[in-house]
Amino acid sequence: EIVLTQSPATLSLSPGERATLSCRASQSVSSYLAWYQQKPGQAPRLLIYDASNRATGIPARFSGSGSGTDFTLTISSLEPEDFAVYYCQQRSNWPPVPFTFGPGTKVDIK
Amino acid sequence: QVQLVESGGGLVKPGGSLRLSCAASGFTFSDYYMSWIRQAPGKGLEWVSYISSSGSTIYYADSVKGRFTISRDNAKNSLYLQMNSLRAEDTAVYYCARLTTHRSNFDYWGQGTLVTVSS
Repeated sequence: EIVLTQSPATLSLSPGERATLSCRASQSVSSYLAWYQQKPGQAPRLLIYDASNRATGIPARFSGSGSGTDFTLTISSLEPEDFAVYYCQQRSNWPPVPFTFGPGTKVDIK
Repeated sequence: QVQLVESGGGLVKPGGSLRLSCAASGFTFSDYYMSWIRQAPGKGLEWVSYISSSGSTIYYADSVKGRFTISRDNAKNSLYLQMNSLRAEDTAVYYCARLTTHRSNFDYWGQGTLVTVSS
């Protein structure tokens, strides 16, 4: 099973600052890496798929990069609505587990 | 617009059963793979199961294999999760989610339904 590790666990920043979130896979996932945003009491929302493609309706301040085992989600200038938890997710060749999620990075207001 | 609406959650005793439903609208349900994903209180996301568009291919996480059964009714635009032999560690919000056409990610999610397993 491929394990995803996210860092940091918490990122304390101010609106307008740049956020850089990391996701590392225990083995190569090629470019099959996605990022989701989750706000309290809400379902996750797909932000980035295939490592670097923005999902429909996602603002340009969100960008993704990386391949293989190391990936980054960058928020170029934090808006008030961006303070949330961010999860990465991979799709591997199965069996046994086709999809796994990272533990999440919480971006909170400094 | 795409909508996924879960129902069927609630409080159940350990060893009990529950059936979750997910009503889909706004897209051609029979064209898409679907999945259940859960989130324990205050914890991260855990993929539970997925089912192919026709229902012929199904996979489960090891944590639920042999206890949960995923199914779908394309005529009713509905996805189901039959949960048997429930344990305290199954307590979570259960989300219904649509897989993208290339089946790598989940592009639409329901609002979730809470399942609590407790005596």
